[in-house]
Amino acid sequence: DQQVKQNSPSLSVQEGRISILNCDYTNSMFDYFLWYKKYPAEGPTFLISISSIKDKNEDGRFTVFLNKSAKHLSLHIVPSQPGDSAVYFCAARGGTYKYIFGTGTRLKVLA
Amino acid sequence: EAGVAQSPRYKIIEKRQSVAFWCNPISGHATLYWYQQILGQGPKLLIQFQNNGVVDDSQLPKDRFSAERLKGVDSTLKIQPAKLEDSAVYLCASSLSSNEQYFGPGTRLTVT
Repeated sequence: DQQVKQNSPSLSVQEGRISILNCDYTNSMFDYFLWYKKYPAEGPTFLISISSIKDKNEDGRFTVFLNKSAKHLSLHIVPSQPGDSAVYFCAARGGTYKYIFGTGTRLKVLA
Repeated sequence: EAGVAQSPRYKIIEKRQSVAFWCNPISGHATLYWYQQILGQGPKLLIQFQNNGVVDDSQLPKDRFSAERLKGVDSTLKIQPAKLEDSAVYLCASSLSSNEQYFGPGTRLTVT
């Protein structure tokens, strides 16, 4: 039972344009959501997070939007840069601070 | 601030052998996690420690996997005996609060 889903395994975007990565979840009890970026041969690195009481959080070029009624969150990267090329995971926090990760989306930013 | 350290980085073993991974979390982080990441999937939580107590080990295959966190600092994860399907990257993470986790570089295990 995949409670956190990233339905797009890959995404290609031109440098300077917007990258939009999507994530859907099924458990309405999740109260905190995070995005991680992962480069090859490295562990995931925390990028940005959002509490379930908010619908938007912004940090520089990165913005996360949360739509609780649709159980959907998205990560916007504007403008996209070649260094943003990585695998992006969304994660949701459930009971006892247990984190459930999606399967990841591989972003490729084309120069 | 030093990050989460893991060793070894790579390990190749034959099925039915045993293997152990080591993790040193960020200093002062009370919570420590072990994840298994199979190729093409997201990290899956195996076990979560709060100091040296287990908070969640519901997805740890206890017939072959074991983990301990002595003195609430370093942790080891052991697999005995290993199966082919255990081939994965094993990630250790730690956190100070219940929010962001900081991951180590992982140990890539190949079981042949």
